Amino acid sequence: EAGVAQSPRYKIIEKRQSVAFWCNPISGHATLYWYQQILGQGPKLLIQFQNNGVVDDSQLPKDRFSAERLKGVDSTLKIQPAKLEDSAVYLCASSSEGAIYEQYFGPGTRLTVT
Amino acid sequence: AQSVAQPEDQVNVAEGNPLTVKCTYSVSGNPYLFWYVQYPNRGLQFLLKYITGDNLVKGSYGFEAEFNKSQTSFHLKKPSALVSDSALYFCAVRERNFNKFYFGSGTKLNVKP
Repeated sequence: EAGVAQSPRYKIIEKRQSVAFWCNPISGHATLYWYQQILGQGPKLLIQFQNNGVVDDSQLPKDRFSAERLKGVDSTLKIQPAKLEDSAVYLCASSSEGAIYEQYFGPGTRLTVT
Repeated sequence: AQSVAQPEDQVNVAEGNPLTVKCTYSVSGNPYLFWYVQYPNRGLQFLLKYITGDNLVKGSYGFEAEFNKSQTSFHLKKPSALVSDSALYFCAVRERNFNKFYFGSGTKLNVKP
């Protein structure tokens, strides 16, 4: 079974620029998550999709971050404009529908904002 | 406020010795409990989970975890540590009704030969 795919793996941008990350979940997984992991901290949920609907985006900085999940499969996370404090690893995860199911994580995208 | 605590930033243990990585939580209801491991430059990997039933849960790579409802704890254990177990370990808790996930801050496990 193929895992969660993410691209790019690394990205370096200057502040005020924009950036987009892509995620392809495990086939058949209805739930998709985007997390931000700052060095030395645990992952922080940014947004959770159930199929192509948003379940929770309470911690997404909506003035600069946006995400979409077209057709309930792939997802993109965008930051515009980026700030220095956005430097982090952005993790995508997917799971089967239902709270009992564990999440499967992609390798992450390491973003450096200079 | 809902929270997950991993009180030790780092745990050091000699190879062959038992290890424990601690996790306590403050999440309403009877949440589901998970442990994940993260190797350098890798995403998180699922180790084990507690849904219901026996308080001792067995998972991948010889790890197990003990659920204690009265202490709201879910400590990760392994009877005999390996050097290859050295990694970052995260406890996660999920609300049953609201589906929200909460992660702890992580514990770095160092297993020395």
